[in-house]
Amino acid sequence: QLQLQESGPRLVRPSETLSLTCRVSGDSISDSDFSWGWIRQPPGKGLEWIGSFYYSGSTQYSPSLKSRVTISVDTSQNHFSLNLSSVTAADTAVYYCARRFDNTDYIVWGQGTLVTVSS
Amino acid sequence: DIVLTQSPDSLAVSLGERATINCKSSQTFLSDSNNKNFLTWYQQKPGQPPKLLIYWASARASGVPYRFSGSGSGTDFTLTISSLQAEDVAIYYCQQYWTFGQGTKLEI
Repeated sequence: QLQLQESGPRLVRPSETLSLTCRVSGDSISDSDFSWGWIRQPPGKGLEWIGSFYYSGSTQYSPSLKSRVTISVDTSQNHFSLNLSSVTAADTAVYYCARRFDNTDYIVWGQGTLVTVSS
Repeated sequence: DIVLTQSPDSLAVSLGERATINCKSSQTFLSDSNNKNFLTWYQQKPGQPPKLLIYWASARASGVPYRFSGSGSGTDFTLTISSLQAEDVAIYYCQQYWTFGQGTKLEI
């Protein structure tokens, strides 16, 4: 059974880089039937796609975040990571890693981790 | 880019009554494998990730109560809760690919 687990610092200083890792168990990131990605949800607000990738294809980023975001993949560890640079308080959110299945289009979610940007 | 617009933004329904939430997409997306519409519905409660309710516009996910149903095709879709229960109070989202509607808050 697929499990996605986010990990990383819960508190980040303004102007620094937010870094999170999603550890995947029960499936392989290199499976071509799935895409993988990051979604965030600011407190009390809706869901915002950050970026996503197919292992064999390119990575796509939200236009509003593209200049600050990098998603990287480590297939040997079966995990993928998010780096978001130059953070501000507006980047405070619950960050979810997720998998989308091409056939059904639905998304399986990690439990999410709240990251607070504050000095 | 895909744009998903949900209506209404919030909704108050009496216990036992019907709740209806709409989702309009800027584009039509069909599964390559079976030509079914891509439109997924989730339920989110505080402190939890979204929970899958409906996929392929009308297929109920495993374990989802029968009072939840999805309908629609093309660019217009509906989530219906036939008889509202107290535990259905939540925010509901529609999704296509990695795009989400803005959410609909359902209250008693």
